[in-house]
Amino acid sequence: QKEVEQNSGPLSVPEGAIASLNCTYSDRVSQSFFWYRQYSGKSPELIMSIYSNGDKEDGRFTAQLNKASQYVSLLIRDSQPSDSATYLCAVPRSNDYKLSFGAGTTVTVRA
Amino acid sequence: GAGVSQSPSNKVTEKGKDVELRCDPISGHTALYWYRQSLGQGLEFLIYFQGNSAPDKSGLPSDRFSAERTGGSVSTLTIQRTQQEDSAVYLCASSFAGAETEAFFGQGTRLTVV
Repeated sequence: QKEVEQNSGPLSVPEGAIASLNCTYSDRVSQSFFWYRQYSGKSPELIMSIYSNGDKEDGRFTAQLNKASQYVSLLIRDSQPSDSATYLCAVPRSNDYKLSFGAGTTVTVRA
Repeated sequence: GAGVSQSPSNKVTEKGKDVELRCDPISGHTALYWYRQSLGQGLEFLIYFQGNSAPDKSGLPSDRFSAERTGGSVSTLTIQRTQQEDSAVYLCASSFAGAETEAFFGQGTRLTVV
């Protein structure tokens, strides 16, 4: 089982729609969860951190965490063409603090 | 500095030459990570430093790769006898106190081995 798995893409959504990205992780003890955005040819940029079960909202982004199900998601509301990028889920390993990344989901927002 | 700084931004080298990639983390960040990203691929973990110590070197692809960190700050990733398959973007990230805290990436070094 991979440490961090993301729903396969690419994901294409029309402008103004909600983009939903999913991530599951294997380490039951993990306490921190991160979402990064990576534009083509650029380095990953941290956009959301979540530590507690439930929802966390930041502008048009909402992260949702369910530790019992080992599941974290990212919703992008009112998607804009500028949201077109690859989104990476990252989860630390509790035993050695390696930061593991999923393979990423590429989102394309159609104008 | 304000962010993680990597140098050089781009490096073209001949096969068989040695290269050094530098990472200057955010001031005060004790944890430092190196990743590699080949074209169109995900992030491949290389090595992690906590202070000057590297408890996990398992990600280094071969013995041609080595890394060090001095003074709990700047880190250098060295690739000896470069091969064409080493061509990739090498990314460095730092965090305040380990992977449980937010990690921030530098702009990366694009390495091309010709």
